[in-house]
Amino acid sequence: DQQVKQNSPSLSVQEGRISILNCDYTNSMFDYFLWYKKYPAEGPTFLISISSIKDKNEDGRFTVFLNKSAKHLSLHIVPSQPGDSAVYFCAASTKYGNKLVFGAGTILRVKS
Amino acid sequence: DARVTQTPRHKVTEMGQEVTMRCQPILGHNTVFWYRQTMMQGLELLAYFRNRAPLDDSGMPKDRFSAEMPDATLATLKIQPSEPRDSAVYFCASGLPRGQAPGKEKLFFGSGTQLSVL
Repeated sequence: DQQVKQNSPSLSVQEGRISILNCDYTNSMFDYFLWYKKYPAEGPTFLISISSIKDKNEDGRFTVFLNKSAKHLSLHIVPSQPGDSAVYFCAASTKYGNKLVFGAGTILRVKS
Repeated sequence: DARVTQTPRHKVTEMGQEVTMRCQPILGHNTVFWYRQTMMQGLELLAYFRNRAPLDDSGMPKDRFSAEMPDATLATLKIQPSEPRDSAVYFCASGLPRGQAPGKEKLFFGSGTQLSVL
């Protein structure tokens, strides 16, 4: 039973345009959400996070939106750059522990 | 830069052989996680430790996998006997418990061990 779902296995975007990556979750106990980026042959690295008390968090070109009623979050990258091409993982945790539950990942390709 | 160190980076072995993967967490981090990356499941949690004690290993096939923390600087994941379906990238990650580091719940990952079982 996948509690965190990323339904788009891949996304292709033109350089300079917006990339929108989506994530859905089923466990209403999740209260902290993170996005990780992974390049080939490297481990995932933290990108941005959001607490359930917020609906938006911004860090430079990256913005995460949280819709608790829909159990949905999204990552917006504006403008997209070729260096953003990577696998993006959505993750979530509950306040009872910092065990992260990950989605299957979305491969983002930014074309120049 | 503090980082999680995993060895070996690559391991090719034959079915039935024992495989041991090692992880050195970031100094000061007292939670350690083992994840496995597969194409279908993404990052699956295999086991995690806090203060060297196992808290959850429900994601691990118990008959062949074992995870330990002999000391605070070393975590091991062992597969015996290995099978072709174990082929995957295994990641170790470390961090601090949520209550200890509010707003800093992120985990730091190692570069992974690419395991191929023939």
